Amino acid sequence: ETGVTQTPRHLVMGMTNKKSLKCEQHLGHNAMYWYKQSAKKPLELMFVYNFKEQTENNSVPSRFSPECPNSSHLFLHLHTLQPEDSALYLCASSQADGGSNEKLFFGSGTQLSVL
Amino acid sequence: AQSVTQPDIHITVSEGASLELRCNYSYGATPYLFWYVQSPGQGLQLLLKYFSGDTLVQGIKGFEAEFKRSQSSFNLRKPSVHWSDAAEYFCAVGGKTASKLTFGTGTRLQVTL
Repeated sequence: ETGVTQTPRHLVMGMTNKKSLKCEQHLGHNAMYWYKQSAKKPLELMFVYNFKEQTENNSVPSRFSPECPNSSHLFLHLHTLQPEDSALYLCASSQADGGSNEKLFFGSGTQLSVL
Repeated sequence: AQSVTQPDIHITVSEGASLELRCNYSYGATPYLFWYVQSPGQGLQLLLKYFSGDTLVQGIKGFEAEFKRSQSSFNLRKPSVHWSDAAEYFCAVGGKTASKLTFGTGTRLQVTL
């Protein structure tokens, strides 16, 4: 139990579907993140939220739409995805206080397959 | 721009043998360095981190890493590997802020009995 829970664990969707990934952190952190993990590629940061405000969007296509209703919950809404979007999507959280002890805590991820 | 290179994609060691996973980085200032481990079907878990001070850092599960500024390296070591250490290991470099981390492509460790 890492304190960061992601659902669903696996998702198969067609290119015309709309689905959402959910992340919940039970650690009292103030920052949440979406990462994309593809085979043989470095982890790619997609979005960062601090105190519910989006602070980073690393040139992510608009077919990915994040939502952070509060500091404990983060969603990634998916629509009209492409097969190359198939990957493991990881959520993470941290206590962003400007100090040197900031650490990322990851969920187990959602394995997404786009057909 | 900052970057991380993990030159070994896949390593196989026998249980009980020693392990060293290599990590080289490029960073414009004093780096914050991390090693994470990812077991199958799981997210990443922090093994250890280096911010400053002693260049040999101890982590969880018996792992340690040594920061060598002259070689721009932060290699991960364990004196005696256990079968449960089989996983993928990621090195990362960045500054104070977690969102500025750059990860390597990972090294997959296989442990033979």
